[in-house]
Parts: sequence; structure tokens; C-alpha cells
Amino acid sequence: AQRVTQPEKLLSVFKGAPVELKCNYSYSGSPELFWYVQYSRQRLQLLLRHISRESIKGFTADLNKGETSFHLKKPFAQEEDSAMYYCALKRAGNTPLVFGKGTRLSVIA
Amino acid sequence: EPEVTQTPSHQVTQMGQEVILRCVPISNHLYFYWYRQILGQKVEFLVSFYNNEISEKSEIFDDQFSVERPDGSNFTLKIRSTKLEDSAMYFCASRFSDYGYTFGSGTRLTVV
Repeated sequence: AQRVTQPEKLLSVFKGAPVELKCNYSYSGSPELFWYVQYSRQRLQLLLRHISRESIKGFTADLNKGETSFHLKKPFAQEEDSAMYYCALKRAGNTPLVFGKGTRLSVIA
Repeated sequence: EPEVTQTPSHQVTQMGQEVILRCVPISNHLYFYWYRQILGQKVEFLVSFYNNEISEKSEIFDDQFSVERPDGSNFTLKIRSTKLEDSAMYFCASRFSDYGYTFGSGTRLTVV
């Protein structure tokens, strides 16, 4: 069975500092990986998907199949980045997302 | 930008009562999902729905749960006899083909 692990429940960084939110997965096939963000009292929003290889709001994430990781990074954190971040995995086909437990990012001014 | 709409935003119900949570997915989306998030825990998959039938369900989705798409626009989750442990945020999501999932803002269900 597939699993997504986000080892940090809470991550606090100072504004302007680099951010790395860790995500590791276990799945024997070729997964599709996502990062979702949930700002206070708002819905889950798609931030990144690995197949797009894009940068959204300064965030990037690279799929490392050797380390089975999909860490989310941003070089300079902003206060508005404070939110819950969820890493999610999807198998091929019409299959549901499997979420990690989430990491709360707190950016301190 | 199109949104997935969920109603109500908060529902309080007595243990043993039936509840229906409603969702209006994005109109041209084909795949529909319900997830739940118990306070302080991760988002968990409940059920997926495609072509007017359940395509996959988790262990959580037992006989107390059912889903319907009664009129081609609404997508409902029914819990027949609620238990205290059903208290959670329930999220509806929809997607079109290989695009990302779009989530609703959730319904907070409180069972007392």
C-alpha cells in the first residue's frame, strides 16, 4: 500500500529564511506527487504537481525517485506562506489521492 | 475560477441521526471524491465516484455511508446513523481527466 510521510508537524522559520518541507513516500509503482496548501479557514489548494515541474509562489519541488522524496522548497520565506502544507500521492489511473499528515509552516516576522 | 461548493459549512447533529452533506462539483468534471479530516489528523480518502457509480472506497466507507449524484449536479454523502467519531471536516473534490483535484471548502460535522 502507498504511504506519504511528512515528518515535521510544525516548522517555524524567520521571514527571508529558506524553507524545506519534507515529504517521503512509499509506493512500488510510478507515483504522481502533489503539494497542497491550506491557508487558515480556506480550502485545500493545489500548489504543485511533479509532472508540471513549475514554480508557484516561489515554491519548487523535485521528485527524487532514489530517495523516494518530494521535498518542497522556497529560498526566501514570506509571512503569507504561513499555512498547512500537505504532500499527496496518486497512483496511475482513476485513483484517489493519499495524503500525508501535513506540516504547519509558520513564518515569523 | 470555477469552484467546488459544499453546503452546509457547519452541521451539528445528534448521535444516531442521519446527515446529508452536499457538494456541487465543477460542471465539466467527471470524477468525484469525498475525503474527511478528523481534527488534528490527516486528510483521509472515503470514496470516489465515476460514471454514476462508486469506483473505489476505503475501509472507513462502511455500510453507514452512501453517495449519490441525484440530479447531475449535486454529489451527496449520507451518513445513516452518525457516531461521535464521525465528527470531522468532510471535503468534496472533483477533477477532469488528468488535471489536479479541486477541493471544496469543507463541511464541519459535529456529532453530539
